Amino acid sequence: GENVEQHPSTLSVQEGDSAVIKCTYSDSASNYFPWYKQELGKGPQLIIDIRSNVGEKKDQRIAVTLNKTAKHFSLHITETQPEDSAVYFCAANSNSGYALNFGKGTSLLVTP
Amino acid sequence: DSGVTQTPKHLITATGQRVTLRCSPRSGDLSVYWYQQSLDQGLQFLIQYYNGEERAKGNILERFSAQQFPDLHSELNLSSLELGDSALYFCASSQPITDINYGYTFGSGTRLTVV
Repeated sequence: GENVEQHPSTLSVQEGDSAVIKCTYSDSASNYFPWYKQELGKGPQLIIDIRSNVGEKKDQRIAVTLNKTAKHFSLHITETQPEDSAVYFCAANSNSGYALNFGKGTSLLVTP
Repeated sequence: DSGVTQTPKHLITATGQRVTLRCSPRSGDLSVYWYQQSLDQGLQFLIQYYNGEERAKGNILERFSAQQFPDLHSELNLSSLELGDSALYFCASSQPITDINYGYTFGSGTRLTVV
């Protein structure tokens, strides 16, 4: 499948600080970019998504930005809380239309 | 509970054996996707079925096969198992409408250990 690169692989922040995770994709036909949160022992859960016709989307403390020209998108979490600690995955749809290609994940640790 | 049901939750089997993983999608979802999650490879797309038909194929080995039944549940068959097949296997479902993607809903996974 097409490559989705995700950075950093691990991120440690103090409670109340912001966290930013960045992803790049290679398929210029990709037009759907979801973010998933995976807690220990559970399946990934969709937290926010963005489509190619918008540049930014916000939902309370989380926001996603998309730069189609540069083929990168980012997840921003503000006022982080310990319960935000989890592995976060970015994804982009593939040229087959519906299958998602995932980044390798970012392990976020929020310390009190 | 996400609405996507995967069974069994855990499976331990020997090399060379064959196993079947089962997935029931969320009510109303027509698409089922299978992913393999290992520590070093992340979430790897294996295969997608839509309303009983194979829709897309990813990095699925020839030893692996899948199908989606008329009631929309899906099974992933893994044969001639090797140690390297040990991983978490996730099923996800969605209801794609025309060309608009919707986020997947993942099940809680099946942890396969090959010994």
